[in-house]
Amino acid sequence: QKEVEQDPGPLSVPEGAIVSLNCTYSNSAFQYFMWYRQYSRKGPELLMYTYSSGNKEDGRFTAQVDKSSKYISLFIRDSQPSDSATYLCAMSEVNTGFQKLVFGTGTRLLVSP
Amino acid sequence: DVKVTQSSRYLVKRTGEKVFLECVQDMDHENMFWYRQDPGLGLRLIYFSYDVKMKEKGDIPEGYSVSREKKERFSLILESASTNQTSMYLCASPARTSYEQYFGPGTRLTVT
Repeated sequence: QKEVEQDPGPLSVPEGAIVSLNCTYSNSAFQYFMWYRQYSRKGPELLMYTYSSGNKEDGRFTAQVDKSSKYISLFIRDSQPSDSATYLCAMSEVNTGFQKLVFGTGTRLLVSP
Repeated sequence: DVKVTQSSRYLVKRTGEKVFLECVQDMDHENMFWYRQDPGLGLRLIYFSYDVKMKEKGDIPEGYSVSREKKERFSLILESASTNQTSMYLCASPARTSYEQYFGPGTRLTVT
């Protein structure tokens, strides 16, 4: 079993829809949780970053962490065609000192006009 | 604005060739990372470095080596390229005071 599980998609939605992207994990030592967005043939770019449990909002994006269920989510409101990309979750343990990240395989999102 | 750059966007090499992939970061950080990304497998850590001339194996180091002669530069070396090393290679480095890793644009390597 992989340490981080993520549905590969593709997830197809119409413009304006609310999108929910999710990851589950097995390592209870993970404390830092990140979402990256990766456009085709580009490197991943950091979208959201949260520490421990709770919610974090940034514009149309909300990241949610539920450590008791080992489950993290990224919500995108009013989705746009420009949101079409692959979304990668990543996480790391606290106090590693080396920021070693473990990634999900990525979910491909397609937002149609 | 943080910046991680990689020497090539696309590279085509023949089996058995020695391949150098270079990465430069301007964040003055001690840590740098090399990943490869393959469909269905996600990003996997090959090697990382936590200081000049210091290196640690990641999850899939076989067939690779690295060099860190200067703080800002981290090179990935394929001693004898093989077709199963055809992949997207990504370099990353954190910002100064956080766990947020920033990635370069990637090098898509094809070994024929």
